Amino acid sequence: DGGITQSPKYLFRKEGQNVTLSCEQNLNHDAMYWYRQDPGQGLRLIYYSQIVNDFQKGDIAEGYSVSREKKESFPLTVTSAQKNPTAFYLCASSRSQETQYFGPGTRLLVL
Amino acid sequence: AQSVSQHNHHVILSEAASLELGCNYSYGGTVNLFWYVQYPGQHLQLLLKYFSGDPLVKGIKGFEAEFIKSKFSFNLRKPSVQWSDTAEYFCAVSSEAGTALIFGKGTTLSVSS
Repeated sequence: DGGITQSPKYLFRKEGQNVTLSCEQNLNHDAMYWYRQDPGQGLRLIYYSQIVNDFQKGDIAEGYSVSREKKESFPLTVTSAQKNPTAFYLCASSRSQETQYFGPGTRLLVL
Repeated sequence: AQSVSQHNHHVILSEAASLELGCNYSYGGTVNLFWYVQYPGQHLQLLLKYFSGDPLVKGIKGFEAEFIKSKFSFNLRKPSVQWSDTAEYFCAVSSEAGTALIFGKGTTLSVSS
């Protein structure tokens, strides 16, 4: 069953803590993306990666970090430098410059 | 910088009413255009897309959109909405040169039965 999986579904972060959101795809897509969704704000691009071991900052990269060691995986770390991390995080993947397909999302809440 | 504007924040319709959601973008070059839908509790799904060719594109569930290059618009339409169309709708654009999507802020559609 092909698709994009994100885990966990809900994640709680304590102040000063780094947390990592998982994104895995078995669609053999080259490109992967992380977006942040806030109510009334649409989706905003955090980071994207077009190939393994390479990634680029999006519009709101500050306070986030990523890695792309495997084609299937693109984890996102929300660092303590991100002062307003509460949001819905969506991962997507695509063949290069084609339609993006989205995972189910992770909702991050701050304790 | 590219931007996408969705004119309606919240639209409320009765079943069988016609729907048109506005979307305008700012980018002078070639663009790829998308409408995504997010039903309550579900994944963001592709509704339809335009890359080239016929500017009137048809998508799933009876939706269609028309690309008007001179107006930088890509409005979404459906002749008769159903209660199950209640969802949030996002217009998105990518430029020819880049792969990342620029999204509008979304339109919430509420359909009453």
